[in-house]
Amino acid sequence: AQKITQTQPGMFVQEKEAVTLDCTYDTSDPSYGLFWYKQPSSGEMIFLIYQGSYDQQNATEGRYSLNFQKARKSANLVISASQLGDSAMYFCAMRESFSSGSARQLTFGSGTQLTVLP
Amino acid sequence: DTGVSQDPRHKITKRGQNVTFRCDPISEHNRLYWYRQTLGQGPEFLTYFQNEAQLEKSRLLSDRFSAERPKGSFSTLEIQRTEQGDSAMYLCASSLPSTEVTDTQYFGPGTRLTVL
Repeated sequence: AQKITQTQPGMFVQEKEAVTLDCTYDTSDPSYGLFWYKQPSSGEMIFLIYQGSYDQQNATEGRYSLNFQKARKSANLVISASQLGDSAMYFCAMRESFSSGSARQLTFGSGTQLTVLP
Repeated sequence: DTGVSQDPRHKITKRGQNVTFRCDPISEHNRLYWYRQTLGQGPEFLTYFQNEAQLEKSRLLSDRFSAERPKGSFSTLEIQRTEQGDSAMYLCASSLPSTEVTDTQYFGPGTRLTVL
């Protein structure tokens, strides 16, 4: 079963508008972390935001916020006031604790290609 | 620039040749990871080092792949007898010691390998 599911292969948004990128995850581990990364066409993965499973509040970093709904196992990324430079591939990733038997690696979804229109 | 660096950025090789990639992590990071990313997919974990010790290897890491991190600083990933299926972006990431799940990994620009 997929641990991270991103159901939107591509998304378009008008410049200056907000956009939500979906991410659902699957784990039985009570302790886990959720991450979002941005990958421009240059290839580098850029860390955007982190949410821990025990965090009471949704994470925010500048124009990025994470809409964390634990019961629904979703961790959607919200980008406010989109800019042309936000056009990129966005990946949701999860890291489970050692109790799940996994190492420290991240498990990534298949990504969403966001295009910001002028 | 104090981020993760990788060399080379691009590598084209013929099937059957050996290739070696280098990763220099952020200087104070003791954890180092290698991932492989094929077109249209998210990165997949290959292997993980804590200091010089290789603590985890994925089943994706066949016996043609070997990784080292001598002295716990830079790391190398070698692929022997390359195959066309090895064509991918190879990403390196590093992180500071932290709790189990808050470990934030910072990635380098990747090495894009093309096997002809």
